[in-house]
Formats: sequence, C-alpha cells, structure tokens
Amino acid sequence: AQSVTQLGSHVSVSEGALVLLRCNYSSSVPPYLFWYVQYPNQGLQLLLKYTTGATLVKGINGFEAEFKKSETSFHLTKPSAHMSDAAEYFCAVRATGGGNKLTFGTGTQLKVEL
Amino acid sequence: EAQVTQNPRYLITVTGKKLTVTCSQNMNHEYMSWYRQDPGLGLRQIYYSMNVEVTDKGDVPEGYKVSRKEKRNFPLILESPSPNQTSLYFCASWPTSSYEQYFGPGTRLTVT
Repeated sequence: AQSVTQLGSHVSVSEGALVLLRCNYSSSVPPYLFWYVQYPNQGLQLLLKYTTGATLVKGINGFEAEFKKSETSFHLTKPSAHMSDAAEYFCAVRATGGGNKLTFGTGTQLKVEL
Repeated sequence: EAQVTQNPRYLITVTGKKLTVTCSQNMNHEYMSWYRQDPGLGLRQIYYSMNVEVTDKGDVPEGYKVSRKEKRNFPLILESPSPNQTSLYFCASWPTSSYEQYFGPGTRLTVT
C-alpha cells in the first residue's frame, strides 16, 4: 500500500527565510507525487506535481520540489518565505488499484512570522 | 470558470436529522470523491465514483451514503448524523487521464 509521511505538523519560519516542508513516501509502483496547498477557509489547490521526467519540479508561487528516489522523498522548498505562504500543505502519492486515487499525508501547517 | 461547488458551506444540525451535502463540477470529469478532514488525520476518503452509477467505498465510509445519477453531481448523504461526523468535508473531481484532483471549497459540518 502507498503511504505518505509528512514530518512536522507545524513549521514556523521568518519572512524571507527558506521554507522546507518534508515528505517521504512509500510506493510499490513508480510514484506520482503531488503537493497541495490549503489557504484558510478554502479548498485544496495543486501546487506542483511529479509524474515522470525531470526530478526537480517547479510550481506556483515560487515553490519547487525534488523527487529523490534513493531517499523516497519529495520535499517542498521555497527560497524566501512570504506572509502569504501561511497555509496548510499536503503531500500526496498516487494509490494503486482503480480510481486514479491519491493517498494524502496528514498535512503541515506553515506559519510565517515577521 | 472550471470549478467544483459544494453546498452548504456551513451546517449545524442535531443528531439523527438526515442531511445532504451537494457537490457539482462543470469540467466533465469522470471521477468524483468525498473526503473528510480532521485535525492531525489529514484527508480521508469517504466514497468515490468512477462514473455515473458507479461508486465505491473509500477508507471511512461508515455512516455515509452517496449516489451518482448525473455525471456532474455527487451528493453526500448522512441519514442519521452523529457527533463523530463533525468535520470539514471536501468534494473533489478529476478526469480519467490524470491523478490531479480539483477540490471544492469545503463544507464545515457540526453535529450536536
């Protein structure tokens, strides 16, 4: 079965500092990996995804993630945090079986401080 | 505008009073799903549908029903809500060609 582990349910950074949100996965098939962001009182929206090809993936709002097969990781980074980045972030991996389903991690709440 | 809509956005009800949360998408997606989001547990899938009249259980289906009579709509039914169903609910849709899911804005349900 596929699973996703997000280390750190809460992460706090200063504005302008590096953002690093960790995601490790397990998968019995070549993984498709996703990061979603949830702003307060909103639904989830796709930040970036990895399916095949280049392992460094760029997303919206200056975020990027690198797929590292040897480490089974897909960490999300942003060089310089902005107050508007405060949100909850979910990592997800495609699930096996029918339905093109995703298995989500438990989320990381990012707080950005002045 | 391509979107997934849910209604109502907020709902407070009492134990045992049947309720329906509606979900509609305008992207002609084959797949639709309901999730519940609880603190520390992330998103857990309740039910999903592969197309009209085809549904299957997710990870936490107990106490919920769904139907898919039209491609665009996927209502979630709680026939006898209980306090442990107090949660934030999301509907999502996606096409067969992709794993990328599109989410509605959420419905916050409180059962007293």
